[in-house]
Amino acid sequence: DTGVSQDPRHKITKRGQNVTFRCDPISEHNRLYWYRQTLGQGPEFLTYFQNEAQLEKSRLLSDRFSAERPKGSFSTLEIQRTEQGDSAMYLCASSLLRETGELFFGEGSRLTVL
Amino acid sequence: GESVGLHLPTLSVQEGDNSIINCAYSNSASDYFIWYKQESGKGPQFIIDIRSNMDKRQGQRVTVLLNKTVKHLSLQIAATQPGDSAVYFCAENIISFNKFYFGSGTKLNVKP
Repeated sequence: DTGVSQDPRHKITKRGQNVTFRCDPISEHNRLYWYRQTLGQGPEFLTYFQNEAQLEKSRLLSDRFSAERPKGSFSTLEIQRTEQGDSAMYLCASSLLRETGELFFGEGSRLTVL
Repeated sequence: GESVGLHLPTLSVQEGDNSIINCAYSNSASDYFIWYKQESGKGPQFIIDIRSNMDKRQGQRVTVLLNKTVKHLSLQIAATQPGDSAVYFCAENIISFNKFYFGSGTKLNVKP
């Protein structure tokens, strides 16, 4: 399978713990995005990378959230001191560096904070 | 700020009928408008996009219409099948910002 891969698919944690999600984009894709989705809502933009550079972060991304994309390949999204409001699906998407409307999404990592 | 929304949260259609899902947007500067399909437990899947300088684009069984005068986007699905049951999101993209903004979704139920 050469699509976008996310790990873990499900994570249950206690409030105050740190969690990390990993995304492996399609190999030739330069751009990588993180979105958050809650039940019944559309994905909300969090941040995106072009190669290894993080070009933009949403104001939704508090200082408890950090994302990296070392060497422009896989990316990690870490949430420190999790809160119940962090419970959501975290989606990763990738795309080529060209003008297009198409993002390729992974299956998502569902976070439940107890 | 940008705003993408949908008129109907749930749409039920009979198998074989045509479906029309509507979306309103507010940002005239968007370059692309896109439709995504999301099945339960899966990530969104690209269906079709349309550039802002077009008013119609057709794919396989799907047609997207863009009316910039009233800032309205629609997705037409011909001969709807049970496999079309999903939540459909419209999204918009401004190339220079390189961010995609999604609406809240319409759930399509296809009755056999």
